Amino acid sequence: DAGVIQSPRHEVTEMGQEVTLRCKPISGHDYLFWYRQTMMRGLELLIYFNNNVPIDDSGMPEDRFSAKMPNASFSTLKIQPSEPRDSAVYFCASSFWGATEAFFGQGTRLTVV
Amino acid sequence: QKEVEQNSGPLSVPEGAIASLNCTYSDRGSQSFFWYRQYSGKSPELIMSIYSNGDKEDGRFTAQLNKASQYVSLLIRDSQPSDSATYLCAVNMKGGADGLTFGKGTHLIIQP
Repeated sequence: DAGVIQSPRHEVTEMGQEVTLRCKPISGHDYLFWYRQTMMRGLELLIYFNNNVPIDDSGMPEDRFSAKMPNASFSTLKIQPSEPRDSAVYFCASSFWGATEAFFGQGTRLTVV
Repeated sequence: QKEVEQNSGPLSVPEGAIASLNCTYSDRGSQSFFWYRQYSGKSPELIMSIYSNGDKEDGRFTAQLNKASQYVSLLIRDSQPSDSATYLCAVNMKGGADGLTFGKGTHLIIQP
């Protein structure tokens, strides 16, 4: 298996623009997690899905953030409009038994200028 | 606020010695505990999981859990320069289906 695949690996955008991050989980995993990592706050859980259904989005910082999972093999995290404070590394992770044994993608480094 | 606390370091250990990394968590009802290793610029990689009190060994790694003290540790024996990384403690605070709460990590440096 290729593992969790995220795209793009790097994204530089101007403040106010829409940003879409993409994730393909490991085949057969029924949980998908979006995390954000910064030096100040570490790794923070933003939202997670079970069987394509959003279960907990309490970590989504603002209404500018939204996430979807239209099918078992694809999820998006969208920021609209983007702001400089959104600059971070965004990780997608998937697992088989909920939060146990979560496997991470390579991350998307987002820079908003 | 449910928290996972780690000393940020850096923790410097000579090659061949034992590195000891510690973590405390706030939610007494936490069920599952994990150690992830993260190299600079890379994604977190799961290296150990532990679910019950006591020790769990895997190669050079030993995870220790004390639920009464709300304390998790990771020991790395015969430390190698390749062990230099940030080690993240992660806790499943609700059990079952829930995301992990991570500490901010301890930066470990193994000195040749």
